[in-house]
Amino acid sequence: DTGVSQDPRHKITKRGQNVTFRCDPISEHNRLYWYRQTLGQGPEFLTYFQNEAQLEKSRLLSDRFSAERPKGSFSTLEIQRTEQGDSAMYLCASSLVSLRDGTGELFFGEGSRLTVL
Amino acid sequence: SQQGEEDPQALSIQEGENATMNCSYKTSINNLQWYRQNSGRGLVHLILIRSNEREKHSGRLRVTLDTSKKSSSLLITASRAADTASYFCATDASQNQGGKLIFGQGTELSVKP
Repeated sequence: DTGVSQDPRHKITKRGQNVTFRCDPISEHNRLYWYRQTLGQGPEFLTYFQNEAQLEKSRLLSDRFSAERPKGSFSTLEIQRTEQGDSAMYLCASSLVSLRDGTGELFFGEGSRLTVL
Repeated sequence: SQQGEEDPQALSIQEGENATMNCSYKTSINNLQWYRQNSGRGLVHLILIRSNEREKHSGRLRVTLDTSKKSSSLLITASRAADTASYFCATDASQNQGGKLIFGQGTELSVKP
């Protein structure tokens, strides 16, 4: 257990429905990341936060995707009007970025698996 | 887009043998990290090597970095069945250090008892 928790672990939904995933990072970590992973592939970067500020967003993240991190604590990733191509594992990670050189290992949650029928 | 390319894509060995996985990347980096993922689980950090380092050890793991060739290798010595997992390299190439990591496609390692 890395200390990063994600909820729900599994979500099955019908095409066109909205879904929301929650991530609770390690409390003292200042960075929070969202990745998406499909079977047999490496994680693809979606977005990341420094405290409550969203610093970067991938072009993979269409207008149907939105992420928030209110008050710099937990984060939510919402997908509106889901499509079958959204089926994937959504991974959250947090890190404590070093003030010395800005490098930090990522601590991942177990992921939220989305299946869109 | 994927920055790192792992080689081989799959590797099958006997317990006790060494496993070597390679990673190549395209742009200059701040650091390179290796992660492990058991099937259906999240990723676990193994080791981080900075751009000014050439080699690093952690237990049975040895990582090398050659920035002139833009490549890294992960060696697992005396492998065990429990090492069976997918292994990913990830690069931090951000302008502001500590930004996103870009992951490769991974090497699927199978260690047979």
